[in-house]
Amino acid sequence: DIQMTQSPSSLSASVGDGVTITCRASQSISSYLNWYQHKPGKAPKLLISTASSLLSGVPSRFSGSRSGTDFTLTISSLQPEDFATYYCQQSLTTPYTFGQGTKLEIK
Amino acid sequence: EVQLVQSGAEVKKPGESLKISCKGSGYSFTTYWIGWVRQMPGKGLEWMGIIYPGDSDTRYSPSFQGQVTISADKSISTAYLQWSSLKASDTAMYYCARRVDCGSTSCLDYWGQGTQVTVSS
Repeated sequence: DIQMTQSPSSLSASVGDGVTITCRASQSISSYLNWYQHKPGKAPKLLISTASSLLSGVPSRFSGSRSGTDFTLTISSLQPEDFATYYCQQSLTTPYTFGQGTKLEIK
Repeated sequence: EVQLVQSGAEVKKPGESLKISCKGSGYSFTTYWIGWVRQMPGKGLEWMGIIYPGDSDTRYSPSFQGQVTISADKSISTAYLQWSSLKASDTAMYYCARRVDCGSTSCLDYWGQGTQVTVSS
């Protein structure tokens, strides 16, 4: 299986701050990487596909990038509704493994 | 409108069997893969497996192979996740999700609301 390692596992930030979450794949996955946002009691929501393509309706403060097997999710100016857990997921090959998640909390 | 509606919460005893469901609507159910994802209490998302309802082609994560069975009934646009003998460690929230092509890759675009399964003696 391809292992996805996210860091940090948790992060505290304030409204208006910019944050970056990193995800590293255990092998090359090209740009086959998705990002999801998950809030308690809700279904996960797809934010970004193919490492950097923002889904329709997702605010432009979210962005994704790739450098080799390292991927980043950046939120440029945190809004109250952004506090959630974020997961990366590789979609190169089954099993389509998730990272362990990054919990973004309000400072 | 695309919707995936899952069956309700279940409370079962160890050793019992269970089948939970995920009904799709608003799209051609037979032409999109449906995946299942587990979230154990306080833990992250785990990809369990995926089925193509058109021909029931199924892929399992090695972690779940032999532990669960994924199936689908295309006549009623419903996918299933089942256990023959539940364990306490199966206690979790289970989500179904539709897999679609996202550019050159695939992603899970619509998700069910989740089914809470609690296994306790």
